[in-house]
This record gives sequence, C-alpha cells and structure tokens, in this order.
Amino acid sequence: QITLKESGPTLVKPTQTLTLTCTFSGFSLSISGLGVGWIRQPPGKALEWLALIYWDDDKRFSPFLKNRLTISKDTSKNQVVLKMTDVDPEDTATYFCAHRRGYTDSAGYYPAWGQGILVTVSS
Amino acid sequence: QSILTQPPSVSAAPGQKVTISCSGSNSNVGKNFVCWYQQLPGTAPKLLIYDDNKRPSGIPDRFSGSKSDTSATLGITGLQTGDEAVYFCGTWDDSLSAHLVFGGGTKLTVL
Repeated sequence: QITLKESGPTLVKPTQTLTLTCTFSGFSLSISGLGVGWIRQPPGKALEWLALIYWDDDKRFSPFLKNRLTISKDTSKNQVVLKMTDVDPEDTATYFCAHRRGYTDSAGYYPAWGQGILVTVSS
Repeated sequence: QSILTQPPSVSAAPGQKVTISCSGSNSNVGKNFVCWYQQLPGTAPKLLIYDDNKRPSGIPDRFSGSKSDTSATLGITGLQTGDEAVYFCGTWDDSLSAHLVFGGGTKLTVL
C-alpha cells in the first residue's frame, strides 16, 4: 500500500521561504518510472501543478513558479522536499504531494495522493 | 483561467448517466494522455481514469473515459449519491511552457 504525507508549517509570513516535506511509503524513488509531484489547491479553486521529481533526479517545474521553486529527494529517507521562496498571500492553498507513475512528461499519472496540508500566508 | 475547459457543474438523478467534458488543444488533450480525478469534499483527489480510458484497480466500470481530437469525456453510469464530488481532468501541455495542466473542475450533483 502506498501512502504519502505532507508536513511543514501551516502559517508562513509574506516574503518567507516555505519548505514542505513529503514522506512516503510503499515505493522507492530509486525505481525506474516513478516520481513524486506537488500540486496545490487554493480554497475553493482548481488544482495547480507545481513540480515533479523523477527517479533519476530529473525535475520539472511549473513555468509560472519556476524561479521560486526547488525540489529534491532523499531516497534513503523516502522523502521529497519542495521549497518555495518569497511567498505571497496568493500562495495560500492546500499543498498535496502525489506518487507518479510514468517514464515521460506526457505519459504519467498520479495514482496516490497525500491528505494535503493547508498553508496560509499571512502577516 | 484553466487551459482545459470543463463545465462548472452537471447534475443528474440517481441511476442515470452523466458525461463531463474537458476541452483543450493540440498541444495538450489532442496530443497527450488525459487523466480524470474525483475529489470528494474535504479530501485529496483520487485517480479515476488514466491514459485516456484506463481504470486503476478498484475503480468500478461505471466510470469510463474517452477522447476525440482535442476533447476528452468522463462518463459515469448508474449514478449514486456517493458520486457527488468535483471532477478534474488533467494532461501534459507541450506548449513553449511545458507543464501539467488541470481543468477548472466540474461539480457533480446527484439530485
């Protein structure tokens, strides 16, 4: 059984850096074809994809947030970390990490998701 | 505003069938695989359909996916009150700013 759980601060001040950790079990990010992605959802709004890290450490980012995001993995700890710099109240959202299957950008899907963590950006 | 267009809401009676559309372009729906997710209130999205029309194990065959040109469709038959949720389509967009895109979501009401 694959499980994921997001952790990090639930309240962040504007201009600060947000660091979120995804801790997972049931798969290894060293296995070919696997990845972990981050997706967020502002209250009452649609899903927005943020970033993806592949088993081989290749990375993809939303072009709209690319300059503010970094993603990394620690395979031994089964963790993926997302960092977002210079946060703004518009970054208030529930942040989900998700297990991804697929070898290429265009042929992948997310069969398992974490419960999400609501992050509020406010002074 | 989402690159993928979905109707904001659909409704139907229990036992009936409903379809939800997802309209895109040649750089996304028309070129790459489409997924569908179900999001029940207060929960994380759940994968219903991947690769346009495949169901993960555990997803009943009441849920189906199809695609034609730049439009994808989710079909749900034998509607149940437990199907009330928001449904999102998603696919990779191969435009200059390549990234994963989602539709705006469709709220399904089972009357």
